[in-house]
Amino acid sequence: EAEVAQSPRYKITEKSQAVAFWCDPISGHATLYWYRQILGQGPELLVQFQDESVVDDSQLPKDRFSAERLKGVDSTLKIQPAELGDSAMYLCASSLGQGLRAFFGQGTRLTVV
Amino acid sequence: GQQLNQSPQSMFIQEGEDVSMNCTSSSIFNTWLWYKQDPGEGPVLLIALYKAGELTSNGRLTAQFGITRKDSFLNISASIPSDVGIYFCAGVMDSNYQLIWGAGTKLIIKP
Repeated sequence: EAEVAQSPRYKITEKSQAVAFWCDPISGHATLYWYRQILGQGPELLVQFQDESVVDDSQLPKDRFSAERLKGVDSTLKIQPAELGDSAMYLCASSLGQGLRAFFGQGTRLTVV
Repeated sequence: GQQLNQSPQSMFIQEGEDVSMNCTSSSIFNTWLWYKQDPGEGPVLLIALYKAGELTSNGRLTAQFGITRKDSFLNISASIPSDVGIYFCAGVMDSNYQLIWGAGTKLIIKP
């Protein structure tokens, strides 16, 4: 069964360093989501892509976070510089289209020390 | 922003008991999704609902799309230890197709 692939699974970084996460959505899925999830809470949308275009980045802290999906397939989320409060699970999800059922990767657990 | 009210926040149950949880909102949704998340993993889609009044089952899980299109329910029958985890509802808003999440229901089985 097709899956959303994310890497790395775990990342420990020092504050003020740069960190990047990668996501490869299910083949053919035009919509890609990046979520942040703090322990004990639901996922919080950071950015949503439709193909290579950003359709919603209203909750993305743009002073330190950036996301790209240059060819409309895989995507990278970057944080620079990382802060202690960025420690969380970063989840990628994809769907055939906006508003359709989304499938998640296993996530990247980020710890900033 | 828009919110879904998911309840209960947590549940302690005995193995074999039935479980019910729900999500409500003041907004209208055209799709309801129910996910389960195990510790350290991403959410896994359990059931998707697309029509008001729709009742869909997946094994021991049954979910319903409320008639008003503002709520959804998830029932788990005869719970087993592997049902432990956090269950999230998510709804696709009819107005803008935005996916909105509940805060989750944590299911704990009493030893």
